[in-house]
Amino acid sequence: DTEVTQTPKHLVMGMTNKKSLKCEQHMGHRAMYWYKQKAKKPPELMFVYSYEKLSINESVPSRFSPECPNSSLLNLHLHALQPEDSALYLCASSQDPGGSYNEQFFGPGTRLTVL
Amino acid sequence: SQKIEQNSEALNIQEGKTATLTCNYTNYSPAYLQWYRQDPGRGPVFLLLIRENEKEKRKERLKVTFDTTLKQSLFHITASQPADSATYLCALVIDNAGNMLTFGGGTRLMVKP
Repeated sequence: DTEVTQTPKHLVMGMTNKKSLKCEQHMGHRAMYWYKQKAKKPPELMFVYSYEKLSINESVPSRFSPECPNSSLLNLHLHALQPEDSALYLCASSQDPGGSYNEQFFGPGTRLTVL
Repeated sequence: SQKIEQNSEALNIQEGKTATLTCNYTNYSPAYLQWYRQDPGRGPVFLLLIRENEKEKRKERLKVTFDTTLKQSLFHITASQPADSATYLCALVIDNAGNMLTFGGGTRLMVKP
């Protein structure tokens, strides 16, 4: 299984809602990532988990809360988002945190719209 | 400031020709550089990685060069096909731990039949 899966594919939420994005991989990768991508822009790194521990938080607002329950799962909890948070949220994984050959495998993304 | 720039936002070429995409960076000394392909509404897909001690890397119709003196990588697709139409992103790891992947702005390639 060489896939990263993300659910849901699409999500529409109001500014007062609480929702969660989910990501799963079964490749035995020990690093997992969340990226945010706006239209016609490159992906921007939000969070990095290495061996299930949060290692990088790229100054992301606290309304985004990541969680790594185990080595295969990654969640992104959303609360009190703003319309400008509407974007494609991408999850990725790589084999060896800090390894010398660290290609990232991306999921298909969740298209989030905040009303 | 640190920058990764891809010179063209868009590149249109005729089928069968060679597409050449450019990635320039400043203020980094990366150990390696990666190229990804992204189709609309989908996540990026890894294509090639080239290390600082490698001048050139090939995979089927793809070729990547890496000039650490010029701080530039060139990405070539030979015998291009309409199916090669996509956005191509170069990416560098910018931290010592090797986890912080930073992307260039991307080049949207359109191959016309």
